[in-house]
Amino acid sequence: QVHLQESGPGLVKSSETLSLTCIVSGGSFSGYFWGWIRQPPGKGLEWIGYIYSHGTTNYNSSLKSRVLIAVNTSKNHFSLSLNSVTAADTATYYCARGGGSTWEFDIWGQGTLVTVSS
Amino acid sequence: SHEVTQPPSVSVSPGQTARITCSGDALSKQYAHWYQHKAGQAPVLVIYKDTDRPSGIPERFSGSSSGTIATLTISGVQADDEAEYYCQSVDSNGSYVIFGGGTKLTVL
Repeated sequence: QVHLQESGPGLVKSSETLSLTCIVSGGSFSGYFWGWIRQPPGKGLEWIGYIYSHGTTNYNSSLKSRVLIAVNTSKNHFSLSLNSVTAADTATYYCARGGGSTWEFDIWGQGTLVTVSS
Repeated sequence: SHEVTQPPSVSVSPGQTARITCSGDALSKQYAHWYQHKAGQAPVLVIYKDTDRPSGIPERFSGSSSGTIATLTISGVQADDEAEYYCQSVDSNGSYVIFGGGTKLTVL
């Protein structure tokens, strides 16, 4: 059973960098793509970006200038860095596995709330 | 286009059928996927590739698509189905992930 778990600070100061890691356990890392999605309080899901296991990335154009997603296949984890954060980046952040060439996310982590403080 | 649109809310009584639509130009070329999201929990994929149901999802969840509109149908709605439902697709190039704004399903 594949399991995803997000980890990282729950509080980040404004203008600093938000950094999260998603640990993948119980299954193969290769051959999939791995995504980050967030949900601000009271709002809907927003796609941040994804990375293939071989390293190719794609990002939401609204966040592209501030986002970096990286993968470490030897440790079965991938990470998210979002710089120059503001209060608008306060959200629950989810990592998820992309299940195939049709772009659905079939397995999700539980999510982690990150609050940006001034 | 980078947008798909859902109604903000749908309400049904227990045992009735709920239909949630998702519309957008991308859906004429790309698949729609549907997620059930309950507060405090991880989203769950309930329909993928317009009509396919993942293992473990009850048969009363079904999907369809025609032209630029995809529909999630929940037959015999139960109280436990009350949740936010999101459709998701990609742009026509297949590289940009799109989520709809979500539909709150209320079971009366």
